[in-house]
Amino acid sequence: EPEVTQTPSHQVTQMGQEVILRCVPISNHLYFYWYRQILGQKVEFLVSFYNNEISEKSEIFDDQFSVERPDGSNFTLKIRSTKLEDSAMYFCAAAGDSASPQHFGDGTRLSIL
Amino acid sequence: RKEVEQDPGPFNVPEGATVAFNCTYSNSASQSFFWYRQDCRKEPKLLMSVYSSGNEDGRFTAQLNRASQYISLLIRDSKLSDSATYLCVVSGGYQKVTFGIGTKLQVIP
Repeated sequence: EPEVTQTPSHQVTQMGQEVILRCVPISNHLYFYWYRQILGQKVEFLVSFYNNEISEKSEIFDDQFSVERPDGSNFTLKIRSTKLEDSAMYFCAAAGDSASPQHFGDGTRLSIL
Repeated sequence: RKEVEQDPGPFNVPEGATVAFNCTYSNSASQSFFWYRQDCRKEPKLLMSVYSSGNEDGRFTAQLNRASQYISLLIRDSKLSDSATYLCVVSGGYQKVTFGIGTKLQVIP
């Protein structure tokens, strides 16, 4: 099965620093998503992205967050000024259409010190 | 009421047992429904989509009751490898996807 790949697998950053998490979705998928999962809690939707723009975002996805797909392959999540509470697993997902099941990458563990 | 509600468990069952999980959702306009499994500290992996007519995949059966707004997952002949957290996932249309907290299953030898 084609994979969604995420890098890095683990990112450790000082509070207040910017981080960029990267995802390479499945090549023929058009819908892309970011989720986060704080340890021991549920998977939370952050944002969906289609046709080079955000189609939906959650309350978590505030001005500190941004997404882009700069080169038609990589799909990135940027956190501008990290906070301690941003520590979580961040999952990228991709789907062929908006109603199809999403395929997840194996996540980036973000640790803010 | 939570958007997607699941009993977090844990459900501890012996090998070979049949176990059922339920999930309720609050948005009557929800359009797509899925069960995912998540192993400890791993990504969610699709187990099966859930259709109104009910669907089966080997030992797994999923059902959807739109009138009562709940989804179920039945696992027959449980294996040790079924031990995981089972996530109920509901899509409310236009890509907003909501996960339940997940139900933890532990299959015991």
